[in-house]
Parts: sequence; structure tokens; C-alpha cells
Amino acid sequence: DAKTTQPNSMESNEEEPVHLPCNHSTISGTDYIHWYRQLPSQGPEYVIHGLTSNVNNRMASLAIAEDRKSSTLILHRATLRDAAVYYCTTGNNRKLIWGLGTSLAVNP
Amino acid sequence: DGGITQSPKYLFRKEGQNVTLSCEQNLNHDAMYWYRQDPGQGLRLIYYSQIVNDFQKGDIAEGYSVSREKKESFPLTVTSAQKNPTAFYLCASSPESGKRIYGYTFGSGTRLTVV
Repeated sequence: DAKTTQPNSMESNEEEPVHLPCNHSTISGTDYIHWYRQLPSQGPEYVIHGLTSNVNNRMASLAIAEDRKSSTLILHRATLRDAAVYYCTTGNNRKLIWGLGTSLAVNP
Repeated sequence: DGGITQSPKYLFRKEGQNVTLSCEQNLNHDAMYWYRQDPGQGLRLIYYSQIVNDFQKGDIAEGYSVSREKKESFPLTVTSAQKNPTAFYLCASSPESGKRIYGYTFGSGTRLTVV
């Protein structure tokens, strides 16, 4: 099973862009890359997912390396409400492998 | 609004007791999942179900059981065989359409404590 590695914590200032990195060097060719975020004592919230091409949605952008061994979640303008633990996961609809996540702090 | 409802939010269990955690969704999703989350660890898959009356073991199924009699419901029973059941339990669902991959929708979780 592919394993994901993320920084334990990151810090950003409000209204600035945030780049959250993830390494998944053992990802298989058919595994998707998903990102979720979680607030304390709540369930994770879906952010974005992709396979090979970069993806954009209303919440964020996902940049996937050409060799698919790493990816970066981009929050274009951080707000205080973006403070959460961000999880990078890989897999398919049957099974996702979850790492330990990155705790993002946003300074006003 | 559509979503996933987990109940109860908090649950206390005496040692040796079985307890059942409820998970109901009105999203018309085919696939449902149960995860366990412990402090300092990522989510670990307990069971998943892609269609009614069928389910598969995940990575840590020992001491747990599930049923999928209706599309909307996927209850999880934590049996007395589960030696360390204190954890945060999360239910999720996703559409299931073969090759296309979708994101998961999660419930708000049930925190189980053994007393």
C-alpha cells in the first residue's frame, strides 16, 4: 500500500497562498491522490482529488508531479477558517491510505 | 440537506459489552466505509461496503462486525473481542460507478470510550 509523508505542521498568514506538500513515492499507477481536511472532533471534509493532471475547484488547486511521486495542495488565499489538519491520501474508492496529516495554522 | 448522520456522538462502553454505532446517509451513495482514528495516527479502515448485502474487511476488522441490509444504513458493532476500542469512529460514503473515482463524504464521528 502506498504511504504518504507530510510535514507535521505549517504556518501561514491570512490572505497569503499556502502550499502543502505530500510525498507518495510508492503510489501505483491506478491510485488517485485525495486531499481532505479535518477540524478537531469533526469528520474529515473532502477538498480535492486527481490522478495525473493538475486539478482546480472552488476550494483549492492540486498540483501533481509528472512522476506522481509527490503532490502539492494550494490554497490560493488562506483564511482563518482554513486552519485545520490536512490529509493527503492515496488509493481508490475501495481503500484510501491515510498519513498523519499537516496541521495548518493561519495567522491573522 | 443530504449528508451522513452518525449517532450517538459520544458513547461509553463497559468492558465485555457489545455496542453498535449508527451510520445513515441520504446521499444515495452506493459505497460506505467505517474508519477508526486514534490520537497521533491516520485513519484506519475497518470495513467497507460497495453494495447492499455485501461488505469487505479492511485493515483492522478484528473485533468489529457490520451489516448492510439497506443502502442508507451501515451500522458498526464493536464487540467484546476488540481489546482496545476507545477511539474516534468515522463513517463515510461515496458514489460507486466502477472506474470513476469520487471523494468521500464523512459523518461527524462517534467517540467511544471504555469505562
